[in-house]
Amino acid sequence: KNEVEQSPQNLTAQEGEFITINCSYSVGISALHWLQQHPGGGIVSLFMLSSGKKKHGRLIATINIQEKHSSLHITASHPRDSAVYICAVVTLSGGGADGLTFGKGTHLIIQP
Amino acid sequence: NAGVTQTPKFQVLKTGQSMTLQCAQDMNHEYMSWYRQDPGMGLRLIHYSVGAGITDQGEVPNGYNVSRSTTEDFPLRLLSAAPSQTSVYFCASREGQSNEKLFFGSGTQLSVL
Repeated sequence: KNEVEQSPQNLTAQEGEFITINCSYSVGISALHWLQQHPGGGIVSLFMLSSGKKKHGRLIATINIQEKHSSLHITASHPRDSAVYICAVVTLSGGGADGLTFGKGTHLIIQP
Repeated sequence: NAGVTQTPKFQVLKTGQSMTLQCAQDMNHEYMSWYRQDPGMGLRLIHYSVGAGITDQGEVPNGYNVSRSTTEDFPLRLLSAAPSQTSVYFCASREGQSNEKLFFGSGTQLSVL
């Protein structure tokens, strides 16, 4: 069974700090999604990537397919970045019946 | 362009009651899914659909029914609610099977007493 492991599970940081959230997976994938969920809110897609690196504003996502690892970075963090960040992989075979397997999420709190 | 519209946002049921969670998307997406989110667990797939008239079970289908009569709508039915179904439910859609952006509804917080 494919496992998607995120670390850390919880992270508290001060405003302005550089944040890194990690995602590791155990089988072959065709793509990886990073999702954001604010408290009491819906889930929004931040990135979908299958290789290399993507950047959107202060958010950067990288993936190394050979090492089965992805990272989400937040530069100059702000309290509004406080949310749960979820990694989801699109498996080449198996995994979720709809092809997606989700990590349990990283709960990020940015203190002013 | 509304994206994925999910209703209601909150619902309280008594054990044994039935209800339908509504999900609609206006992006002409083929793939739609229902997930539940419980504390300490990742999103778990309940049912999914790859097009109108086609549905299949996910990881935790027991106690739930779905149908997909149109491309736009994918309702989730709880036939006889149980306390174990207390959870947050999300509907999601995407254009195709693999490397497509995911779109989620705003979620339904369901409590079964």
